[in-house]
Amino acid sequence: NAGVTQTPKFQVLKTGQSMTLQCAQDMNHNSMYWYRQDPGMGLRLIYYSASEGTTDKGEVPNGYNVSRLNKREFSLRLESAAPSQTSVYFCASSPWGSSSYEQYFGPGTRLTVT
Amino acid sequence: KQEVTQIPAALSVPEGENLVLNCSFTDSAIYNLQWFRQDPGKGLTSLLLIQSSQREQTSGRLNASLDKSSGRSTLYIAASQPGDSATYLCAVQANFNKFYFGSGTKLNVKP
Repeated sequence: NAGVTQTPKFQVLKTGQSMTLQCAQDMNHNSMYWYRQDPGMGLRLIYYSASEGTTDKGEVPNGYNVSRLNKREFSLRLESAAPSQTSVYFCASSPWGSSSYEQYFGPGTRLTVT
Repeated sequence: KQEVTQIPAALSVPEGENLVLNCSFTDSAIYNLQWFRQDPGKGLTSLLLIQSSQREQTSGRLNASLDKSSGRSTLYIAASQPGDSATYLCAVQANFNKFYFGSGTKLNVKP
C-alpha cells in the first residue's frame, strides 16, 4: 500500500514551458486535491475532484488545469509556466463521504520556473 | 474568510519536556480540524483528526483538543524526543472544498 504517490519529485522549467504533475492513490478514495505550498503562505488549494469524472476550482486555479483520469489518478498541468508558479506542489486524497474526512498527502513535487 | 493562526512560529525545548502547540481559527463553522507533521523536504503526515462534534483525540504521546466555541485547538506532546523535531501544521475544513492551513510551528527538541 503506497498511499499517495507523485511524480516527478523535482522539476526545473523555463518560462513558457509546459508540464504535467502526476498523482496516484491506492486507497480507493473518492476525493483528490492539488495544493501548492509557498513560504509564509501556508498550503493553498488549487483544484479538487470530488469523485471520478468531476473537477472544480479551488482558491488559486489560475494558470493550471487538471484531469481526473480515473479513480486513482489526478494530474495537474501547467500550460505555460511562469516564475510565480515556483512552489512545492502536493497532491492529497480523502475518503470524503465516509465516516472520516482525513486527508492523506503525497511527498510533493518541487518545481522551479526560471 | 477563515483565518488559521499558529503560535509560536518556532519552539525549542530540551528532550523529555511536555509541550503544547496552539492553533486558533476565526470561524467556528468547521467540519473538522486536522494536525499534521511535516519533515524538511517531505510531505504532510496526518497525526490526528478531530471531528467537529468531538472534544479531543489521542494517539500515543499526542493529544489534540478542540474548542469550537473559542476557536482553539491544542496539540499536546508528552515526553518530547529529538525525533519529534519537525514542523507541525493544523488545518480546518469548513466544507468539502474549503481548507485553511496555518503556517505551522517549527519544533526543535534538543538532545
